[in-house]
Amino acid sequence: DTAVSQTPKYLVTQMGNDKSIKCEQNLGHDTMYWYKQDSKKFLKIMFSYNNKELIINETVPNRFSPKSPDKAHLNLHINSLELGDSAVYFCASSQEWGESGYTFGSGTRLTVV
Amino acid sequence: AQSVTQLDSHVSVSEGTPVLLRCNYSSSYSPSLFWYVQHPNKGLQLLLKYTSAATLVKGINGFEAEFKKSETSFHLTKPSAHMSDAAEYFCVVSRLGAGGFKTIFGAGTRLFVKA
Repeated sequence: DTAVSQTPKYLVTQMGNDKSIKCEQNLGHDTMYWYKQDSKKFLKIMFSYNNKELIINETVPNRFSPKSPDKAHLNLHINSLELGDSAVYFCASSQEWGESGYTFGSGTRLTVV
Repeated sequence: AQSVTQLDSHVSVSEGTPVLLRCNYSSSYSPSLFWYVQHPNKGLQLLLKYTSAATLVKGINGFEAEFKKSETSFHLTKPSAHMSDAAEYFCVVSRLGAGGFKTIFGAGTRLFVKA
């Protein structure tokens, strides 16, 4: 069974479109995260939710909006996609906030054309 | 301030020889330290973590890392490289501060293993 699953795995879309990436974890973890990995493999946190509440919101354009309907899900919605949004987006979860290590999903490769 | 520096962007070893991936950190307080591995087109997998217990930490797949406070280092080692170890490795520092937990990923070290 996949512990942290993201869909879709690949997403190719045109500039200006709105898209969503879904994430679900079946580990019973309290905290979930969205990370962006650029073409140079650099990872940067975008958002963190603990028990459905937003606890980290880094400097991310407000075109990006996370939504956590319950503790096991953290979806990422992106409005008005731009070329610079092309990256791999990783969802992750952890038992506790910060110290316990993350379990990552396999990533969503977003390409904006 | 808190940061993590992976000293090599690329490391190349021959199969069966030792692996050393270097990581230095800076943190005003006692941090938690992690190593993750990312195989091509995959998510990151936790290799090992240090959270103020034993300074020598053993992880999966034969990897281990030693926390050296005096050198502010947390280098990752493996006695004998295997072809399947070829991947990107990330050193991560995390600590609890006034604003909550702050987690910083290093820039990554690409490990190449030659047959």
